[in-house]
Amino acid sequence: DGGITQSPKYLFRKEGQNVTLSCEQNLNHDAMYWYRQDPGQGLRLIYYSQIVNDFQKGDIAEGYSVSREKKESFPLTVTSAQKNPTAFYLCASSIAGNQETQYFGPGTRLLVL
Amino acid sequence: GIQVEQSPPDLILQEGANSTLRCNFSDSVNNLQWFHQNPWGQLINLFYIPSGTKQNGRLSATTVATERYSLLYISSSQTTDSGVYFCAGTANFGNEKLTFGTGTRLTIIP
Repeated sequence: DGGITQSPKYLFRKEGQNVTLSCEQNLNHDAMYWYRQDPGQGLRLIYYSQIVNDFQKGDIAEGYSVSREKKESFPLTVTSAQKNPTAFYLCASSIAGNQETQYFGPGTRLLVL
Repeated sequence: GIQVEQSPPDLILQEGANSTLRCNFSDSVNNLQWFHQNPWGQLINLFYIPSGTKQNGRLSATTVATERYSLLYISSSQTTDSGVYFCAGTANFGNEKLTFGTGTRLTIIP
């Protein structure tokens, strides 16, 4: 079954804690993306990666970090430096770069305790 | 970067009605896409439509790139059409990121 999976579905973070959101795809896509969505808002780009071992900051990268060691995996770490992390996080992938259709995972809802 | 404006922000319709959603861009765009986000948060890509018209069942989309807008038409609405519809595009130069509008929330009443 091809697609994009994200885990966990819900994640709770304590103050000062780092948490990592998982994103895996078996579509053989080169490019992967992380977006943040706040209630009633559109999507804002956090980080993106067009190829393995390379990634670029998006519009709101502060307080987040990523890695792209494998083509199929693009985990996102929400660090303690991110002061307002409560949001819905969406991962996407595309065959190549931004000039291609993007396909989304089901999302992870992060809540701060 | 480009600005993306969607209208209307909210739309409530009776089942069976038709609707038109609009997306305006501040500058020329490439890579224009329409998405549907269901009530559980899943985004589904509806159309990749940098220009011209495409149809898929009860949905169709038209992009007039020279006038910097795109329209999404939904005919004979069903309750499963409810959710938020987003358009997104990249600037026509360089390797710009996909910029999303703030969406149109569509509610279909049985």
